[in-house]
Amino acid sequence: NAGVMQNPRHLVRRRGQEARLRCSPMKGHSHVYWYRQLPEEGLKFMVYLQKENIIDESGMPKERFSAEFPKEGPSILRIQQVVRGDSAAYFCASSPQVAGGGGETQYFGPGTRLLVL
Amino acid sequence: DAKTTQPNSMESNEEEPVHLPCNHSTISGTDYIHWYRQLPSQGPEYVIHGLTSNVNNRMASLAIAEDRKSSTLILHRATLRDAAVYYCILSGPGSSNTGKLIFGQGTTLQVKP
Repeated sequence: NAGVMQNPRHLVRRRGQEARLRCSPMKGHSHVYWYRQLPEEGLKFMVYLQKENIIDESGMPKERFSAEFPKEGPSILRIQQVVRGDSAAYFCASSPQVAGGGGETQYFGPGTRLLVL
Repeated sequence: DAKTTQPNSMESNEEEPVHLPCNHSTISGTDYIHWYRQLPSQGPEYVIHGLTSNVNNRMASLAIAEDRKSSTLILHRATLRDAAVYYCILSGPGSSNTGKLIFGQGTTLQVKP
């Protein structure tokens, strides 16, 4: 069983470019979460998606950031017009169960490390 | 959101047991207690979770106080590979109705050979 896959593992962008981060959840998982870890800081929730639906985006910055989880294919976190402050590790997690009950386990990917020059 | 309090850091010797404490005095009756850990340069990894009763798995044990206001993660024999940041997180309708995990600063565990 393959775990959560994220690509690319490392991404370098210049200011103003776009960054696309991909996440393939574990087989059979239909719930995807994105988290961001800024340098020397803790992990922060960004967005929770189910297939074709954004369920909770309370942690997403209001501008330049978007996420999707289409019916087919990986989940995508998109950052437009990147700035140096976007440099961070972005982690994706997936879960097999309906969220909210509290007993769900999240399985994390290895992360994408974004560096903005 | 219900909060947890953990010591910033702890040290242990290899092959000895480690007890990592967590206080969660505002826990609601429906919140689960989860533990994750993050090894250097890796994504978080699930360790264990429980609701009211103590739990054991191949990685660790979770001891939950009777009033549920605190819990302890127990690593029975620490190895160098257990050096990581350990996060105690509450999850459930009382703290997050969408299952998102709210990470604090965690406890940085150092294991000495």
